[in-house]
Amino acid sequence: GQSLEQPSEVTAVEGAIVQINCTYQTSGFYGLSWYQQHDGGAPTFLSYNALDGLEETGRFSSFLSRSDSYGYLLLQELQMKDSASYFCASDNYGQNFVFGPGTRLSVLP
Amino acid sequence: DTAVSQTPKYLVTQMGNDKSIKCEQNLGHDTMYWYKQDSKKFLKIMFSYNNKELIINETVPNRFSPKSPDKAHLNLHINSLELGDSAVYFCASASPPNTGELFFGEGSRLTVL
Repeated sequence: GQSLEQPSEVTAVEGAIVQINCTYQTSGFYGLSWYQQHDGGAPTFLSYNALDGLEETGRFSSFLSRSDSYGYLLLQELQMKDSASYFCASDNYGQNFVFGPGTRLSVLP
Repeated sequence: DTAVSQTPKYLVTQMGNDKSIKCEQNLGHDTMYWYKQDSKKFLKIMFSYNNKELIINETVPNRFSPKSPDKAHLNLHINSLELGDSAVYFCASASPPNTGELFFGEGSRLTVL
């Protein structure tokens, strides 16, 4: 079957750096996406890695290692508004997106 | 202009009833999805359509029936609602070449009493 694992919760203080890890076991793997979801809202896309390495988008970066079936989302200069749930999602065969269980990030003042 | 819109946003209904949720996207995307998010926030894919054709049908009770009249619309009909159907249902769309990006609607919160 298809499965992804993430830590359930992470806590950090404003201004800090936090890394959210994701491991996956899927078939037909094309790439790994990351989504942010605030309480009561819809998931919104953050980044996508199809190739090994680091992708940087502002304060957020995402990394993928296909050989290790592993990726992470790195959030820098944390702000209170970054408190949300973060999901990794495997892109399988370019059309089947399977989501991890989500990581709840709490940013403390 | 809302890219992916769902209606209604909230449904409260009794067990045994039938309900529908509608979804429309104005992005010109070929592929649309229905996801279910339960109380533990786990997002589970239910169905996917590509150009009106069903391409993904996960293990979902046959009380759930998707319908895609055209590639811009994907509706979800649920028969004989059960308590366990209470969840937030998200519609999403995506378009090749694949960028790994799904565009989600705002969600439809279904509460079955």
